[in-house]
Amino acid sequence: GAVVSQHPSWVICKSGTSVKIECRSLDFQATTMFWYRQFPKQSLMLMATSNEGSKATYEQGVEKDKFLINHASLTLSTLTVTSAHPEDSSFYICSATEGGAGGYTFGSGTRLTVV
Amino acid sequence: GQQVMQIPQYQHVQEGEDFTTYCNSSTTLSNIQWYKQRPGGHPVFLIQLVKSGEVKKQKRLTFQFGEAKKNSSLHITATQTTDVGTYFCAQGAQKLVFGQGTRLTINP
Repeated sequence: GAVVSQHPSWVICKSGTSVKIECRSLDFQATTMFWYRQFPKQSLMLMATSNEGSKATYEQGVEKDKFLINHASLTLSTLTVTSAHPEDSSFYICSATEGGAGGYTFGSGTRLTVV
Repeated sequence: GQQVMQIPQYQHVQEGEDFTTYCNSSTTLSNIQWYKQRPGGHPVFLIQLVKSGEVKKQKRLTFQFGEAKKNSSLHITATQTTDVGTYFCAQGAQKLVFGQGTRLTINP
């Protein structure tokens, strides 16, 4: 089945620094990938849709200048949290789909802690 | 996107008891998907329902899509400790909108 690899699994960074998270589709091409954020004991909130070769589409309330998304190839999307602050601490998860009835495959997630 | 309301938020059962979670929408859904997220893990796709009144089974799990395509349910028969986790419904043609999730805990 489809596999989505996400790195790193966890990261601790200092306030004010930037963190890059990678999401790769390993055995299929994904022209579109999705980035979610999940706070403890809450649901997944869609942050943005990453489009290969074009600009990402951000959901309402998500700052595009703070959460930079790059989708330079059919198998790789990156999310960079710029000038991170403690309130950005969360679980970030990417997803993609091969299409059809197979649903969406999620990466293993990145737990970001900003200190 | 269309919102889906999911209840209950939490459910604690004795091992062997049944469990059901429900999703409701005020508008007609094109499809509904179900995911399971184990504690500390990521969502894993369980199933997609598309047709009105559809019922699908996966071993002890039964998924239903309402006739009006506005509600769906996931029923687990005779829960086991491996069923622990949060179950989410989600809908959307391309980008998924998730329900609030139902966290299932089980007393062995």
